[in-house]
Amino acid sequence: AQKVTQAQTEISVVEKEDVTLDCVYETRDTTYYLFWYKQPPSGELVFLIRRNSFDEQNEISGRYSWNFQKSTSSFNFTITASQVVDSAVYFCALNIMDSNYQLIWGAGTKLIIKP
Amino acid sequence: DVKVTQSSRYLVKRTGEKVFLECVQDMDHENMFWYRQDPGLGLRLIYFSYDVKMKEKGDIPEGYSVSREKKERFSLILESASTNQTSMYLCASSSVTDRRYNYGYTFGSGTRLTVV
Repeated sequence: AQKVTQAQTEISVVEKEDVTLDCVYETRDTTYYLFWYKQPPSGELVFLIRRNSFDEQNEISGRYSWNFQKSTSSFNFTITASQVVDSAVYFCALNIMDSNYQLIWGAGTKLIIKP
Repeated sequence: DVKVTQSSRYLVKRTGEKVFLECVQDMDHENMFWYRQDPGLGLRLIYFSYDVKMKEKGDIPEGYSVSREKKERFSLILESASTNQTSMYLCASSSVTDRRYNYGYTFGSGTRLTVV
């Protein structure tokens, strides 16, 4: 069975701190994609990143970085020097090829950045 | 800029009313999805569609139906609205052929429905 677990329901940090959001996935497929989405208070989910199962290189985009480790089935997301605008709900998702590209969603982590 | 547009941002309906939530995408995507989002329950799939006139039940289809008469439009119908259908409804689309969209979803802004 496929599953995505985001064990952290809510995280609260003070601005400028670094914060890591955890994502653990389960699948028996060898070809799959992992995603992170951000949902700010406005409600619309915004795509952040996609990673395919054959590419374990870490990715950095400004203050955001992602650590993909197949050995631990994890795809963690780190925000460096957090800002109040980073406050949002963050979702991790899994896409397996034989599902007609349906995404399997984690429950989401609510991130609160305090000024 | 590519878009998924949901017709209403906020909606208030009475119990027993038939409710239509509309979603239109301009990306020529094959797949379209309807989710509801409730606090503590994450995103739950109601229905999805792979093509015009095709539909598949998701995890929580009871009390809902859908219509996809044109590729760009996917409608969610609450046949007889009930208070437990008060929720945020999110529409999304995806492409299985266009690599520009990375096989991920593009979401609308959501419709917050309140049934009184």
